[in-house]
Amino acid sequence: NAGVTQTPKFRVLKTGQSMTLLCAQDMNHEYMYWYRQDPGMGLRLIHYSVGEGTTAKGEVPDGYNVSRLKKQNFLLGLESAAPSQTSVYFCASSYGWEQYFGPGTRLTVT
Amino acid sequence: GIQVEQSPPDLILQEGANSTLRCNFSDSVNNLQWFHQNPWGQLINLFYIPSGTKQNGRLSATTVATERYSLLYISSSQTTDSGVYFCAVGHSYNQGGKLIFGQGTELSVKP
Repeated sequence: NAGVTQTPKFRVLKTGQSMTLLCAQDMNHEYMYWYRQDPGMGLRLIHYSVGEGTTAKGEVPDGYNVSRLKKQNFLLGLESAAPSQTSVYFCASSYGWEQYFGPGTRLTVT
Repeated sequence: GIQVEQSPPDLILQEGANSTLRCNFSDSVNNLQWFHQNPWGQLINLFYIPSGTKQNGRLSATTVATERYSLLYISSSQTTDSGVYFCAVGHSYNQGGKLIFGQGTELSVKP
């Protein structure tokens, strides 16, 4: 039982490049979330999903897209990376209220 | 929106000391979680505690929902307890029951 896993752990992008972050959970959770953590800002919700095939915007969705084609996976895409997207990205999942977090992906955009 | 305030912002302890961290929130909540972010950046679930008291080893937590605060107690602290402790609340089903995080308490335990 791996819980919530994230791929990759680290990535460096140049401005304008694209990439996809993968989140996977093996707990059969319906809800999945993407947060970003910035110094002095805490964690903020980017997008979330309440079930397979559904996605919705969170607090800071601009510049990101998401997809939930399979219940266990939640993908976060950056189509054209910007330096403002330098951050640590956390995925989380939940069945009820309690959320479980992945180990994070540290992304740097130069 | 709901506000979450944690105190103190920083705390330095000698190994073996006890500490109390506080989380105040400005509205009723359906979810309250405590996390430890270790020096490697991982977020570790400590407690899911929207009300009542729970204990797990040297750690315990109490949430008094009617008075809108939660306390995290760390007893006999160890150097491995160092890191940032976050309180996060879930207010409503809006945005999937998103968690709203406090700014954290940075704990440093010295040997």
